Amino acid sequence: NAGVTQTPKFQVLKTGQSMTLQCAQDMNHEYMSWYRQDPGMGLRLIHYSVGAGITDQGEVPNGYNVSRSTTEDFPLRLLSAAPSQTSVYFCASSFNTGELFFGEGSRLTVL
Amino acid sequence: KNQVEQSPQSLIILEGKNCTLQCNYTVSPFSNLRWYKQDTGRGPVSLTIMTFSENTKSNGRYTATLDADTKQSSLHITASQLSDSASYICVVSAQAAGNKLTFGGGTRVLVKP
Repeated sequence: NAGVTQTPKFQVLKTGQSMTLQCAQDMNHEYMSWYRQDPGMGLRLIHYSVGAGITDQGEVPNGYNVSRSTTEDFPLRLLSAAPSQTSVYFCASSFNTGELFFGEGSRLTVL
Repeated sequence: KNQVEQSPQSLIILEGKNCTLQCNYTVSPFSNLRWYKQDTGRGPVSLTIMTFSENTKSNGRYTATLDADTKQSSLHITASQLSDSASYICVVSAQAAGNKLTFGGGTRVLVKP
């Protein structure tokens, strides 16, 4: 029972580098989303998708891109990493607007 | 603007004692409220969901209450255990296109032996 799988768990980047955080779910959920979690702040929505081929911006989308070519996968791309993007990133999925199932998180450090 | 405020930010309790966490929200129109538990280094996991008509819901030693009139919810932990050490996040859903979620900042609970 994999649920929501995120990779990598840890990543260190230099300023200006690009990378992709992978997220896959095996529950056939329509809704998928990416959040970042910073100390002292709640989870903040970056981007979300309500189905394959449909994506939309959340609260803090700048510097991030997403795509949803399949129901299962929802990768998050950092185009040009900045120190302000140092954070823990969580991918989550759900049936429409029900209970969110979260991945284990990806800890990103940008130097 | 939809907001969810949780209190306290953190608390320390002794094993076996009870505690209550608070969540106040201004989300409108209200759809439902969930409490999530987040262990250190892990993703949040849902504990309970409360809809408008529900006042109380239990999940083992966790009991959530909802007062839709005052827009307040609480999460009560009974006979705390070391494994209850975690952050507890209140998430409120609005009845709007996409049922937008608003997250509280969380309460960090530390249970000491």
